Amino acid sequence: AQTVTQSQPEMSVQEAETVTLSCTYDTSENNYYLFWYKQPPSRQMILVIRQEAYKQQNATENRFSVNFQKAAKSFSLKISDSQLGDTAMYFCAFMTETGANSKLTFGKGITLSVRP
Amino acid sequence: DTGVSQNPRHKITKRGQNVTFRCDPISEHNRLYWYRQTLGQGPEFLTYFQNEAQLEKSRLLSDRFSAERPKGSFSTLEIQRTEQGDSAMYLCASSPRLGAGGYIQYFGAGTRLSVL
Repeated sequence: AQTVTQSQPEMSVQEAETVTLSCTYDTSENNYYLFWYKQPPSRQMILVIRQEAYKQQNATENRFSVNFQKAAKSFSLKISDSQLGDTAMYFCAFMTETGANSKLTFGKGITLSVRP
Repeated sequence: DTGVSQNPRHKITKRGQNVTFRCDPISEHNRLYWYRQTLGQGPEFLTYFQNEAQLEKSRLLSDRFSAERPKGSFSTLEIQRTEQGDSAMYLCASSPRLGAGGYIQYFGAGTRLSVL
């Protein structure tokens, strides 16, 4: 079974600063996908960034980038130039590439607050 | 593309009553997922449909829970004889077939259930 661990329950960052959210996972699979989802207060979950395990290059999406360390099973999210709209819960998630059930396994999430 | 739609957004019920939630996925998405999210936790997988076939159910889905996806379009999740422990946010997600980016799941806003 796969597990996803987010050990930081809360973080706070000043607007325009950079923050890194940590995530580790455990799996015996070799091919899989990793995701960061954002869930703003009382709003639906949206995808922030994704990483295919077979790709060595770290994914980037505008101000969001990841540090994917496959051997260490680590997948952290860096948010640059933090904005007030980044305030949300962030979930790290894992999916195997089985072709059958591609369910997501989520971590407990981290609450990020961006201070003005 | 109107996104994943869930109804109702909120449901308050008394213990022992039956409730039914509806999810309308993004059109032409053949995969549909139900997750449950309790306060301060990440979503947990409940069940998965590919077209009209229910291919996997979590152990979290007790006999009181049933899900359907007639004709491979919308889906319903019914909880019979609700218990206070059923209080949670129920999330629906859909994704296209694997060859069309099917590893990305798009979430609805959820149905928040409160059992009194």
